[in-house]
Amino acid sequence: AQSVTQLGSHVSVSEGALVLLRCNYSSSVPPYLFWYVQYPNQGLQLLLKYTSAATLVKGINGFEAEFKKSETSFHLTKPSAHMSDAAEYFCAVSPSGGYQKVTFGTGTKLQVIP
Amino acid sequence: EAGVAQSPRYKIIEKRQSVAFWCNPISGHATLYWYQQILGQGPKLLIQFQNNGVVDDSQLPKDRFSAERLKGVDSTLKIQPAKLEDSAVYLCASSLGAQGGGYTFGSGTRLTVV
Repeated sequence: AQSVTQLGSHVSVSEGALVLLRCNYSSSVPPYLFWYVQYPNQGLQLLLKYTSAATLVKGINGFEAEFKKSETSFHLTKPSAHMSDAAEYFCAVSPSGGYQKVTFGTGTKLQVIP
Repeated sequence: EAGVAQSPRYKIIEKRQSVAFWCNPISGHATLYWYQQILGQGPKLLIQFQNNGVVDDSQLPKDRFSAERLKGVDSTLKIQPAKLEDSAVYLCASSLGAQGGGYTFGSGTRLTVV
């Protein structure tokens, strides 16, 4: 069984401030982990993924996430928020072997304040 | 490359009516997924196809939902009869294979049941 918990359904940051979106996972096998972004009225777009290589993963649009097994966490960060980062972000987990069944978290809406 | 195509973008129907959604995945993607995203929640997997075979349909309400992927390319998802609680965005996604890759999502079909 696998699941992810996203802490905070809404996060507000000022433009130029650090973005930190939290995700904790639970998985009975070594996981693959993902962050997706969803802009209004659009589908989900893959930001980055962890597939058991480097624990610090860099993605698109300046985002990165660090896999911490000891903390079962995969938090998403960006050093400086931009207005265009306002969207909903989903953390997701899948088993590392076999057919993927990806389980999504409930999402965090990021608001960027000018 | 062309993305995942879905139609229609929006649909409004009365309860007890039937509705069908269509998805055309990225060319060459063997794995196709249908997700249901209820407002304020993360996407929930309804069904996963590998080519034209079903890999996972454990969360598909089979008394009213059906899906097919003839010839291992495009797919249709049908609801008959619809209930109020089926109001959601139905997302189609595809991926090259089973391991390690993220999905590519379509823009979704927003269904409103009145």
